[in-house]
Formats: sequence, C-alpha cells, structure tokens
Amino acid sequence: NAGVTQTPKFRILKIGQSMTLQCTQDMNHNYMYWYRQDPGMGLKLIYYSVGAGITDKGEVPNGYNVSRSTTEDFPLRLELAAPSQTSVYFCASSRDRGRNEQYFGPGTRLTVT
Amino acid sequence: AQSVTQPDIHITVSEGASLELRCNYSYGATPYLFWYVQSPGQGLQLLLKYFSGDTLVQGIKGFEAEFKRSQSSFNLRKPSVHWSDAAEYFCAVGGGRGYSTLTFGKGTMLLVSP
Repeated sequence: NAGVTQTPKFRILKIGQSMTLQCTQDMNHNYMYWYRQDPGMGLKLIYYSVGAGITDKGEVPNGYNVSRSTTEDFPLRLELAAPSQTSVYFCASSRDRGRNEQYFGPGTRLTVT
Repeated sequence: AQSVTQPDIHITVSEGASLELRCNYSYGATPYLFWYVQSPGQGLQLLLKYFSGDTLVQGIKGFEAEFKRSQSSFNLRKPSVHWSDAAEYFCAVGGGRGYSTLTFGKGTMLLVSP
C-alpha cells in the first residue's frame, strides 16, 4: 500500500491564482482530513470528510474548498491565493473516528507571493 | 472546547539521557490522547495512543506515556535518547465533533546533543 499520497510536493503561486492540492489514500478509509501547519502553531484542521459526498468545516476553512466524490480522493481547492495561505498542507486519513489512528501524507509546501 | 498545551517549544537532551515531554489537555469527557512524531520534511507518525485502562502506555521506538487524569496530563517519556529521536513531537486530543477530529498541540522540538 502507498498509504496517503499528496501532489505536488512544492508549489509557488502568485496572489490571486487558484490551485488544487491532490490527496489520495489506498487504505479504504472513511475519514479524511486536511490540515495546515505553520511554524510554531501545530496543525490546524481545515476541512474533513466522514465519507464520500460528506464534508465539513474544520477550524480554519476560510479561503478553501473541498469535495469528496470517491472514498480514495479528497482534493483541497484554493480559489484566490493569498500570502496568508503560505503553509505546509497535510492530508490524513483514518478508518473510522475516535480511537483510530490518522495516517498522514508527506505534505505539500505552498508559497504564495 | 478541547485544547492541548505543550509548554516546551524546544528541548535539548544529551544522547543517552532520559527524556520527558509535557502535554496538558482540556476536555470535558474522557479524552482520547495521542502522541505523534514528525521528522524534518516528513508527515506525522503515530508513537502511541491512550483510550482507557492501564494509564501507562507503550509505543514504538521505546517511547511510553502516562495518563494522569488528576493533572490532565499525558507526558511522553523515553529512558535513553538516541540521535535519531531528534524531531518535532505533537500531542493531540480526540473527542471533538463526535470524536471525528483531533486537536493538536503546537509541538515540542527535540534536539539531541552528542
């Protein structure tokens, strides 16, 4: 199993541009998550999904959108990139809620200039 | 709302010395507690987790953690640190949104000196 994969690994965007961060998991997990990590701030939850077709906002959803059309994929969309969205983005998945471990992808480092 | 506090931003430990990383949580009900480790440029990896039962839990790489309800703490320990343990460590509490999500602390960066 590849686990959780994310593309791209690095990206530089200009202010106002749009992009989609891709996330795929091959573990047939129901739950998927998007986090952003800023230095000294830990991980903040952006959006999460409890299954195909079901998504919900996390702690910091503004400026982002998600969709979950399949169990495997959970893309994160930035519509109008802003410098405040410069961060490292992690996708994670878990089989179920509660006691279940979250498995993390390797991350995408995004810079908006 | 649940929250996690990791009081130490950085800790430096000599190789071979013991380690304790502190974690305090705030949650109204029984928490699910986790410790994750992040090596430079990598994603997070689970070290150990606690849900109920024995308050001392063992994890991978020789780590252990002790749950103390009276102190709202879940401190991570290792008897002898190796240079490869240098990384950032995150404590997390689960329970929010029907136990669907985790809240992470801000992390503690561990530096290992020779």
